[in-house]
Amino acid sequence: GESVGLHLPTLSVQEGDNSIINCAYSNSASDYFIWYKQESGKGPQFIIDIRSNMDKRQGQRVTVLLNKTVKHLSLQIAATQPGDSAVYFCAEIDPFGNEKLTFGTGTRLTIIP
Amino acid sequence: GAGVSQTPSNKVTEKGKYVELRCDPISGHTALYWYRQSLGQGPEFLIYFQGTGAADDSGLPNDRFFAVRPEGSVSTLKIQRTERGDSAVYLCASSPGRGGTQYFGPGTRLLVL
Repeated sequence: GESVGLHLPTLSVQEGDNSIINCAYSNSASDYFIWYKQESGKGPQFIIDIRSNMDKRQGQRVTVLLNKTVKHLSLQIAATQPGDSAVYFCAEIDPFGNEKLTFGTGTRLTIIP
Repeated sequence: GAGVSQTPSNKVTEKGKYVELRCDPISGHTALYWYRQSLGQGPEFLIYFQGTGAADDSGLPNDRFFAVRPEGSVSTLKIQRTERGDSAVYLCASSPGRGGTQYFGPGTRLLVL
């Protein structure tokens, strides 16, 4: 079945530097991906999404890249700030028409002041 | 409020007891989802409502778990005969409709002693 996973469980980045969080998926039929940010004690917060008809999408300080050939997506955060410290999840919508999100285990991003 | 709200924020109960967890979705959102998140893991899908009906309940772990949404707005997740393994954060999300972005609430932290 489909799965979504992350390459690294933790990532430390100097404040002001850029960070890249990676995610792999296994189902080539997957066509909609979302990045969520989860701070301690809070629910996941929507950051940005991308559909399979795109390979790049930009938001405020964030960019998501989708490489369908190798089934990989990444989240780039520019000029990281202390408030970016959180766990980041990539998630995919069930490609078979259901509405459920399948999440990876997450990457904990720590911003070093 | 502007976002998804969940009550209670924390619930401690004893093994074998019955609990109810409530979710108030964003006003006007027709789709509502329940997820469960164990420590150090990503959220796992439980059930999805479109309006008043459960469109997909494939994630409910067993028949001790049940959810309702009688008027197409507020939803209640019900757990009978709680077990220690039910301890987790129960997250609710809502979206404007099929295929829409899912916005999460803060979760209810359930601890079964």
